[in-house]
Amino acid sequence: KAGVTQTPRYLIKTRGQQVTLSCSPISGHRSVSWYQQTPGQGLQFLFEYFSETQRNKGNFPGRFSGRQFSNSRSEMNVSTLELGDSALYLCASSLDHRGGNQPQHFGDGTRLSIL
Amino acid sequence: AQSVTQLGSHVSVSEGALVLLRCNYSSSVPPYLFWYVQYPNQGLQLLLKYTSAATLVKGINGFEAEFKKSETSFHLTKPSAHMSDAAEYFCAVRGGATNKLIFGTGTLLAVQP
Repeated sequence: KAGVTQTPRYLIKTRGQQVTLSCSPISGHRSVSWYQQTPGQGLQFLFEYFSETQRNKGNFPGRFSGRQFSNSRSEMNVSTLELGDSALYLCASSLDHRGGNQPQHFGDGTRLSIL
Repeated sequence: AQSVTQLGSHVSVSEGALVLLRCNYSSSVPPYLFWYVQYPNQGLQLLLKYTSAATLVKGINGFEAEFKKSETSFHLTKPSAHMSDAAEYFCAVRGGATNKLIFGTGTLLAVQP
C-alpha cells in the first residue's frame, strides 16, 4: 500500500510570492491534516480536511489555506510568503476525522525555503 | 487542554545501552498518546500508540512505552540501542475529539559506538 505522497519535496520561493503544496493520502484514507515544522516552534497543526470540508484549524494567519478534493487529495496554499514561512510542511492522513486512537500517517514533507 | 512535555531535548547513549525517552502528558480525560520517530530528511513514522487495552505498549523496532496514570507519563524505552536508532523522537497527544495531534518538542537521540 503506497504511503502518503507529498509534492514537491523541495521548493524555493521569494518573499511575496505564493506557493501550493500537494498531498495524496493513503488509499482509503479520507482525512488529511497539515502541520508546519520549524526549529523554533516545533510541530504545529495547520488544519484538517475531511469530505472536502475543513474540520479543524490551527492558529495561523489567513495567508495559509487549504482544500480537499473529492478523491481526498489535498492542497495547501500560502500567499504573500514571508521569511518566517520557511519550514518543513508535513501532511498526514487517517481513515476519518473522529480522532481517538487511530494514528496519523505522515508523508516525507515539502521543504519550503523563502529567500 | 491537552499537552505533552518531553524532558531532555538531547539524549546520548552508547550502542547496546538502555534508551529512555521521557514524556509527560497533561490531560483532564484519558489521553490518546503516540510516539513518532523522525529520521533526517524524512517525515514522522509511528512507533506505537496507547490504546488503553494495556499499560505496556509494544511498538516497532524493539521500542515500548509504559502508560502510568499516577505519574501522567508515557516514557519510551528500548533495552539495547542500535546505531540505526539515532533520530528525533516525538511524543504526541490527541487534541480533544479531533484528529489534531499536539506534539512535544522532541528528543534528539544520539547513539555512540
